[in-house]
Amino acid sequence: GAGVSQSPSNKVTEKGKDVELRCDPISGHTALYWYRQSLGQGLEFLIYFQGNSAPDKSGLPSDRFSAERTGGSVSTLTIQRTQQEDSAVYLCASSLEKVRHRVGGYTFGSGTRLTVV
Amino acid sequence: QQQVKQSPQSLIVQKGGISIINCAYENTAFDYFPWYQQFPGKGPALLIAIRPDVSEKKEGRFTISFNKSAKQFSLHIMDSQPGDSATYFCAASERSGAGSYQLTFGKGTKLSVIP
Repeated sequence: GAGVSQSPSNKVTEKGKDVELRCDPISGHTALYWYRQSLGQGLEFLIYFQGNSAPDKSGLPSDRFSAERTGGSVSTLTIQRTQQEDSAVYLCASSLEKVRHRVGGYTFGSGTRLTVV
Repeated sequence: QQQVKQSPQSLIVQKGGISIINCAYENTAFDYFPWYQQFPGKGPALLIAIRPDVSEKKEGRFTISFNKSAKQFSLHIMDSQPGDSATYFCAASERSGAGSYQLTFGKGTKLSVIP
């Protein structure tokens, strides 16, 4: 596609429920990132996928968070047993291989606004 | 530990004025410094970026000034326009253990340009 697509754009869920957030990166982009943006905060790194390499999960805040990337394309971020502090905008970004990343930066999607009530 | 410190948190500038946003870092492994612009309801978009071997980079009304010895860099928006009203994030990139690059972001500056 022309850009990074995320769905849903908004999600309201009850505390304790599981949610899945989807990211469809730009075709051909081998790197995919998930970030979390809380009100008044910067972008918090969550997880990174690069090609067939093992993902960098160093930013996941707890074991309730997990992500997968199937076939090197679409990625799903799953939050289990959601808590109110999980409420935030979850942003996905993709980029070409590392050289392109250094030159052009990431392309972000518009994000999924998650509200846990 | 906040690796990239950004200030101010918010900024109000008169149309035609100069907007200045500052960032500072500690990690000397950072080797690429982009700025992102984010409008409400949208993801951040790359605005301009600089490498540490350059002291200044200008693209249109946007200029990055980089001071490697002080570990500081700033974004200047000349002739600020109401359409520039957005949140601006500075970022810094370093090579991660997997041979890729990861961005660390500042907390953002909300710029409002008033007519």
